Order: sequence, then C-alpha cells, then structure tokens
Amino acid sequence: SQQGEEDPQALSIQEGENATMNCSYKTSINNLQWYRQNSGRGLVHLILIRSNEREKHSGRLRVTLDTSKKSSSLLITASRAADTASYFCATQRAAGNKLTFGGGTRVLVKP
Amino acid sequence: GAGVSQTPSNKVTEKGKYVELRCDPISGHTALYWYRQSLGQGPEFLIYFQGTGAADDSGLPNDRFFAVRPEGSVSTLKIQRTERGDSAVYLCASSFSDYNEQFFGPGTRLTVL
Repeated sequence: SQQGEEDPQALSIQEGENATMNCSYKTSINNLQWYRQNSGRGLVHLILIRSNEREKHSGRLRVTLDTSKKSSSLLITASRAADTASYFCATQRAAGNKLTFGGGTRVLVKP
Repeated sequence: GAGVSQTPSNKVTEKGKYVELRCDPISGHTALYWYRQSLGQGPEFLIYFQGTGAADDSGLPNDRFFAVRPEGSVSTLKIQRTERGDSAVYLCASSFSDYNEQFFGPGTRLTVL
C-alpha cells in the first residue's frame, strides 16, 4: 500500500510560474524524499528531508516538512519547460529501509 | 561516477516463461532495493538487500519472485512462470547506507504476452 499521497494529481502551469505540490503520509518517518520521473523510467533524487528538519532548499526547489500534520510540500520556483515530469514523494520509516511512494503529481510546464 | 545500471532495458516474454532482470548498483553502495512500478502509479517496494542478505523481502508478491545478491554487488531478480499481471517497469536502487538517498537505475520494462 502507498503511504504518501500527493496533491494535486496533475498540475499545468506557464513557464516562469511557481509550482507547488503536497504530500501527506500516515505513520511516523525517519525521512521524506522527493523524486522526479520523466517518461515513466528512472527516478531522479531531488531532496531528502529528515524528520527533525523543517525546510530544505536546493537550487529552485524548496521542501517543507510538518511532522505534526504528517505533510510535506515541494515548491519549484520559476518553472521551466524542462521541469515537466511526474514528481513523487517517498517516506522512509524509522523501522525498515524501504521507500513508500505516493501516486505522484504530473506537472506540465507550458512554454 | 557510473550510476545504477539495469539490463535488459526491455524484456518481452510469453506467459509461463522464466525471466531474469539484472541490477548493477553504484560501486561501494551496500544497500540495494528492487521496486516495481505499474503505469500511472508510484513504485512499490519488492525487496531490500544489505550486503549479500535479503534484509526485507516483504514486498515480493508471491513465491514466483526471487532475488539474489551473491557477492554483495550485482543483484538478479528472478520471476518464474510469468503472468500478464507481472508486466511493469522493474526499478533497482542503491544507497551508501541506511536512511540515505536511494539512487535509481533506468528500469527494465517487462511485458508478458
């Protein structure tokens, strides 16, 4: 079963706009990771945020984590056509090492 | 350095046949994972190796699925008596240690006719 649930399921924006997607999960976690996937193949790791962290940045990406609400958000600023992809959140629980993925948010950035 | 590699990139087989999918992790990564992804869904965990041993195989759907990692590096996922429902992209990932980023390979697209 999938623990993380992304919202929205799909997002269409113009180049230059910001894109925000959310992830909710059900159980306690050690960390939460965001991945990007193009064309249904390999996943590219974007950011890992640990349960004792609240915010992380990487280039145009900003991730927040609220463990009290069991939710995370991924913000892509100044989006580009190349950002068109599916974005997945994945949680890693304190016990065990597998990642549990959500269903993903499909982002379309129109030039 | 080289990333995670998987072979073959595509595999088409007939129902009932046996298939092997190979994963070559990043050098030095002791943890190796197999996931399966169906169209339009997120990846689902199959099995996790720490070194040569399967530390967690709770995601394997049934006893037709088996995976090995005999020397703690390359891993092979083996599927016996394939069924049409096994069609999916099989993804392999490796990480340097527990609770770190997992780096994914490009996947093997398995099609069972």
